[in-house]
Amino acid sequence: LAKTTQPISMDSYEGQEVNITCSHNNIATNDYITWYQQFPSQGPRFIIQGYKTKVTNEVASLFIPADRKSSTLSLPRVSLSDTAVYYCLVGDTLTGFQKLVFGTGTRLLVSP
Amino acid sequence: GAGVSQSPSNKVTEKGKDVELRCDPISGHTALYWYRQRLGQGLEFLIYFQGNSAPDKSGLPSDRFSAERTGESVSTLTIQRTQQEDSAVYLCASSLGDRGEKLFFGSGTQLSVL
Repeated sequence: LAKTTQPISMDSYEGQEVNITCSHNNIATNDYITWYQQFPSQGPRFIIQGYKTKVTNEVASLFIPADRKSSTLSLPRVSLSDTAVYYCLVGDTLTGFQKLVFGTGTRLLVSP
Repeated sequence: GAGVSQSPSNKVTEKGKDVELRCDPISGHTALYWYRQRLGQGLEFLIYFQGNSAPDKSGLPSDRFSAERTGESVSTLTIQRTQQEDSAVYLCASSLGDRGEKLFFGSGTQLSVL
């Protein structure tokens, strides 16, 4: 199973763009890259998922280089409500995804 | 239902007692997951169901932990003879069971063992 490495914490201000990078050097061919957001006292919430290149939805963008050994979650113009823990996960839902340990994630603090 | 429902939301018990945690997944979701999250830490995988079967139980911390699922719907996680180190939030998630799909999480059960 691919292991992921993320920064433990990041600080930002309202209106700024935040980029959180995740390293996954031993990603497998079938693995997807998925990001979740977790607020206190809630379960994680799906943000975005990708396999290669760039994916964009109404919440974020996900940039994946050609070698797929890292990925970057980009949050445009963050607000105070984006303060949360962000988890990067790598795996294939049908084989190893269900065994993934989410890890400690990246704690993002957005200040006024 | 509209989302994954877990009950109770909070459970306080005495050391040595048994507890049962319930998860109602989203209707039609064949895959169901249990995770444990200790304070300030990431999610620890416990067990996974595909339909009513659990192909991998290796994440269960000890033989005091067990889980079952019936009717490809509700699942229960049972902890026997609870210990203080069992105190944590227990999260349930469900998914369609297809490759690459996303997990939908419940709000969890906060278990406190005194």
